[in-house]
This record gives sequence, structure tokens and C-alpha cells, in this order.
Amino acid sequence: EDQVTQSPEALRLQEGESSSLNCSYTVSGLRGLFWYRQDPGKGPEFLFTLYSAGEEKEKERLKATLTKKESFLHITAPKPEDSATYLCAVRRDGGSQGNLIFGKGTKLSVKP
Amino acid sequence: DAGITQSPRHKVTETGTPVTLRCHQTENHRYMYWYRQDPGHGLRLIHYSYGVKDTDKGEVSDGYSVSRSKTEDFLLTLESATSSQTSVYFCAISESRQYGYTFGSGTRLTVV
Repeated sequence: EDQVTQSPEALRLQEGESSSLNCSYTVSGLRGLFWYRQDPGKGPEFLFTLYSAGEEKEKERLKATLTKKESFLHITAPKPEDSATYLCAVRRDGGSQGNLIFGKGTKLSVKP
Repeated sequence: DAGITQSPRHKVTETGTPVTLRCHQTENHRYMYWYRQDPGHGLRLIHYSYGVKDTDKGEVSDGYSVSRSKTEDFLLTLESATSSQTSVYFCAISESRQYGYTFGSGTRLTVV
């Protein structure tokens, strides 16, 4: 069965304390891995798409990487405004299988 | 969110009553999706549309129906609301299967 698992469920950091969030997946025919940020009471906001192992994308303090089995979202020197839930999703190949499957998310709290 | 609007934002309804949620987009995107988000489950796909009058079921479609008579509108109907359908409902759009989704701000539905 196709699965997306995110860890940890929750992460508390001090401002400036770098860390990584993990997204492991078991899907047949991966056609993209997506990272989203979700703030309380809002819809998810798109961050990155990764398509192949070894690919990396960066945006401000965030860097996403992809291997054949997992993706990492690295947060460098986080600030309190980085506090949010980060969602990972994968897209499979073909038809209804091409819709995104989401993990349950990692809730990040950054304290000043 | 720019380009995609969900209505209503909040709704409280009684068990057994019909409920319709509306998603309206101004981006002219082909694909539209309805997800529900529940604690411990993450985002789960209810139904999706790949064009006007073209819709298909997602993983949690029981008790829900959808309609898309115009490119810009995608309606989700709960024929007879139950307490298990209390959730936050998100609409999403995408231009192509290759791209990530843009989400609306969500509808918080409470069935009492």
C-alpha cells in the first residue's frame, strides 16, 4: 500500500537551532514529491516540488532534498515566523493514481 | 487565497440535513479537488474533477457527491450530513498534474 510518513509529529526548536524534518514514502512510480506549509486556520501553501533522487530546492531558510526513499526539509537558523505545520505529499503515476497523497505533517514550533 | 475562494468559511448544521460547499476559482485551471482534514488523518481526497462534468472519486467519497458545471465552480454536497463528516474541508486547484496544488482557505463544518 502506498504510504507517506512524516517524522517527528512535532518539533520544538529555539530560534537559530537548525534541524530537519523527514518524509519517507513507499509508492510505486513516484512522479513528484511536494512540500507545503500550513499555518493555523489556513490552507496549505506550496513550497517545493522534487522529481528525482539527488534533487535539491532552496527557499530562504528552507532546503528540501530527495532520495529514493525519503525527503528531508532542512531548516537553517529558524525564526519564530517559521512556526507552522509542514506537509509532505507524493504523486504517483497515472489516472486517479496521479492525485497527491499527503502525510500527516510535522508541527514545528520555534521559540525566541 | 488569491484565485480560489471557498464558501461558506464556517457552517454548523444538523444531522440529516443536506449541505453544499462551494469552491470558486478565477485561474481557469483544469483540475479541482476536495479534501478533508482531520486530526490524526491528515488531508484525504474526497472527489476530484479533471474538467467540466468530469469527476471521479477519491479515497473517502462515501456520503459525498460533487458537481462541476462550469470551469470555475466545484461543488461538494453532503446529501445527509452525519457527525463523522464534521471536519475542515479544503478545495484545491492545479493547472496540470505536474504541478503542485493551490489550496483555498477551507470551510470548517460542524454537524451536530
